[in-house]
Amino acid sequence: NAGVTQTPKFRILKIGQSMTLQCAQDMNHNYMYWYRQDPGMGLKLIYYSVGAGITDKGEVPNGYNVSRSTTEDFPLRLELAAPSQTSVYFCASSLLGRGNTEAFFGQGTRLTVV
Amino acid sequence: DAKTTQPNSMESNEEEPVHLPCNHSTISGTDYIHWYRQLPSQGPEYVIHGLTSNVNNRMASLAIAEDRKSSTLILHRATLRDAAVYYCILRDWGETSGSRLTFGEGTQLTVNP
Repeated sequence: NAGVTQTPKFRILKIGQSMTLQCAQDMNHNYMYWYRQDPGMGLKLIYYSVGAGITDKGEVPNGYNVSRSTTEDFPLRLELAAPSQTSVYFCASSLLGRGNTEAFFGQGTRLTVV
Repeated sequence: DAKTTQPNSMESNEEEPVHLPCNHSTISGTDYIHWYRQLPSQGPEYVIHGLTSNVNNRMASLAIAEDRKSSTLILHRATLRDAAVYYCILRDWGETSGSRLTFGEGTQLTVNP
């Protein structure tokens, strides 16, 4: 199993450009999550999904969009990139459970907006 | 979401035990207590979780207070590779919100050789 795979690992965007951060998991997990982590800070939840076709906002959703058309994939879309979106983005997944399942994280995408 | 409070930083010496505290006074009856850690330049990784009873696994032990308002992650013999940010998280299960997984700021553990 590859686990949670994020692409790309690094990206530099110009202000106003758009991009999609890819996240795929091969563990047949129901839940998937997107986080951002600014330098020296904890992880902030952007969006999450409890299954294909179902998404919900987290703590910091502004400036981002997500979709979940399959169980495996959970792409994060940035429209009109801004310097404030410079961060490391982590995707995670976990199995359905009543709070007792562990989450698996990808290695992150480091995004710089200039 | 129920919140957790952790010290910003802690230090330990190599080969000594480390006790990382976490307060969660607003925990609900069905919240599981999870611990994750994040090594430098990596994504978080699961360490341990529990509900009411103390738990042990190959990485650590989790001691949960009887009233569940606090917990302690115990690393029995710290190594240099244990230097990381440790996060205490309550796994929220709500009928409408699904299973959110919300992080706080965590505790930066420094292990001295």
